Amino acid sequence: KNQVEQSPQSLIILEGKNCTLQCNYTVSPFSNLRWYKQDTGRGPVSLTIMTFSENTKSNGRYTATLDADTKQSSLHITASQLSDSASYICVVAHNNAGNMLTFGGGTRLMVKP
Amino acid sequence: NAGVTQTPKFQVLKTGQSMTLQCAQDMNHEYMSWYRQDPGMGLRLIHYSVGAGITDQGEVPNGYNVSRSTTEDFPLRLLSAAPSQTSVYFCASRGAGGSYNEQFFGPGTRLTVL
Repeated sequence: KNQVEQSPQSLIILEGKNCTLQCNYTVSPFSNLRWYKQDTGRGPVSLTIMTFSENTKSNGRYTATLDADTKQSSLHITASQLSDSASYICVVAHNNAGNMLTFGGGTRLMVKP
Repeated sequence: NAGVTQTPKFQVLKTGQSMTLQCAQDMNHEYMSWYRQDPGMGLRLIHYSVGAGITDQGEVPNGYNVSRSTTEDFPLRLLSAAPSQTSVYFCASRGAGGSYNEQFFGPGTRLTVL
């Protein structure tokens, strides 16, 4: 069964600290993996996308890594800010058509002052 | 550009009532889709469309209908609402070229069925 598991489910960190969110997947075949940020009451917004051949991708203070062999991805947030408080969702595409996506349940991050 | 817009933002229905969730995009995207998001679960695909006049079922299509008469609009109809359809509904759109292209999501509709 195609699954995307994220950990931890929730996380609280102090402003300025770093954190790493994990995503493990059993999706096959694999096309690409995307991380989204979802603010409370809003729709998800894409942060990064990686294909099979990409190991790392950065977007400002967000850095995503992908290990296609172990089927693991991580999202590292550097020097967290209050505005980073949100849910972070890992999504794996099975094909290029875009209609076969498996979403993780998300990690809820709270950054406290 | 307004991006992807959804109306209403909130809705409360009684069991058995019908309603239509509206979705529109102004980016001339061919691909549009509807998802539902339930607590602790990932988004699940309800229906999708690859262009005007073409729709197909996703993972959880039962109890929902869609149509795509124009490129811009992709309404989702609940035929006879049930408490199990209480959820947050997201519409999304993406340009042609496959899943590598970013999918843009609307702000969501929070639906409660009593």
